[in-house]
Amino acid sequence: NAGVTQTPKFRILKIGQSMTLQCAQDMNHNYMYWYRQDPGMGLKLIYYSVGAGITDKGEVPNGYNVSRSTTEDFPLRLELAAPSQTSVYFCASSQGYGYTFGSGTRLTVV
Amino acid sequence: ELKVEQNPLFLSMQEGKNYTIYCNYSTTSDRLYWYRQDPGKSLESLFVLLSNGAVKQEGRLMASLDTKARLSTLHITAAVHDLSATYFCAVDSQENNDMRFGAGTRLTVKP
Repeated sequence: NAGVTQTPKFRILKIGQSMTLQCAQDMNHNYMYWYRQDPGMGLKLIYYSVGAGITDKGEVPNGYNVSRSTTEDFPLRLELAAPSQTSVYFCASSQGYGYTFGSGTRLTVV
Repeated sequence: ELKVEQNPLFLSMQEGKNYTIYCNYSTTSDRLYWYRQDPGKSLESLFVLLSNGAVKQEGRLMASLDTKARLSTLHITAAVHDLSATYFCAVDSQENNDMRFGAGTRLTVKP
């Protein structure tokens, strides 16, 4: 099983550019999450979804958008990238106890 | 709002020694998780603690949960270099359908 797949693994953006971070899971999990991890820090929740068509904000949603049109996919959209969005982004899914994490996307905004 | 605090944030220990990492959280929750993260890698699940008094052990690591004290501990026995990593605790938020993380404990085990 692939589990949770994130693409791309690395990306450099210029200030003001936009991009979409992709996340897909093949475990038929209802719950999916996007976290960001700044250097030397824990994970902060950006957005989450409890099922297809349902999304909600986490702790740090500003500057991001999400959609959940299918159970499998949960893309994260960055509009007008800013240096403060330089971080490692993790997608996760869950169906019960604990999360399965993707391998992360390392994003640098210059 | 649920807050999760870990201490210490940095821990340097010698091989063969024992130590404990602490995780406190601010609101009621019955589910606590421990994760390990190696540099540049994703998070690996270590333990899932689902009830008061739960104790789980895997190799040199043992985790416990006291929901009344809102405290979990991760005990390291006879540390070895391979345990060097960052350890995170995380707690299910009963207000929201998500999990909140501590800041992590960066463990370095020296020969």
